[in-house]
Amino acid sequence: DAGVTQSPTHLIKTRGQQVTLRCSPKSGHDTVSWYQQALGQGPQFIFQYYEEEERQRGNFPDRFSGHQFPNYSSELNVNALLLGDSALYLCASSTSGRAFGTQYFGPGTRLLVL
Amino acid sequence: GQQLNQSPQSMFIQEGEDVSMNCTSSSIFNTWLWYKQEPGEGPVLLIALYKAGELTSNGRLTAQFGITRKDSFLNISASIPSDVGIYFCAGPSPQGGSEKLVFGKGTKLTVNP
Repeated sequence: DAGVTQSPTHLIKTRGQQVTLRCSPKSGHDTVSWYQQALGQGPQFIFQYYEEEERQRGNFPDRFSGHQFPNYSSELNVNALLLGDSALYLCASSTSGRAFGTQYFGPGTRLLVL
Repeated sequence: GQQLNQSPQSMFIQEGEDVSMNCTSSSIFNTWLWYKQEPGEGPVLLIALYKAGELTSNGRLTAQFGITRKDSFLNISASIPSDVGIYFCAGPSPQGGSEKLVFGKGTKLTVNP
């Protein structure tokens, strides 16, 4: 049983570019949450997707957008990259309505913006 | 935004020692979660607490949900080298609904063999 998988593992971009990160949830999970973890900090909630719609959103600008596909996999898109967007981006999956207690995290995508 | 304050920020201990760390908030939390993150990995849930005063163990780990509902504690007994990592407390945001988790900044644990 595969856990949460994310791709790519590492990415280098330059300011102003756009990036797409991908997440496949754990088998049987239908809800995907995205987090940004800056160096030395705890993860910060970006948004959550369920039934292909954004259900909850944290304090992130509209440059951060997402999508969920019918197979429950998800993408995180970030436009007009800033240096401050450099971070580890974590995806977590869960079953609907019970996000926190049964939330499984992927290994993350480390994004470096130059 | 809502903050969880973890202390200490880092700990350097000898193998076999016991470890205590805590997490406090200015707001009431209805659930406390403790995660461990190792290099190159995402956080892994260690213990979940759902009721004030609850004391829950997972092997050598024990966590408590504070009576005031504004704090939680994690203890590790007889530490071993594989306990190395960053320990985070987390809980569902009191403002944002149950799906939005808020994390502390973590306690980094180093165990010397």
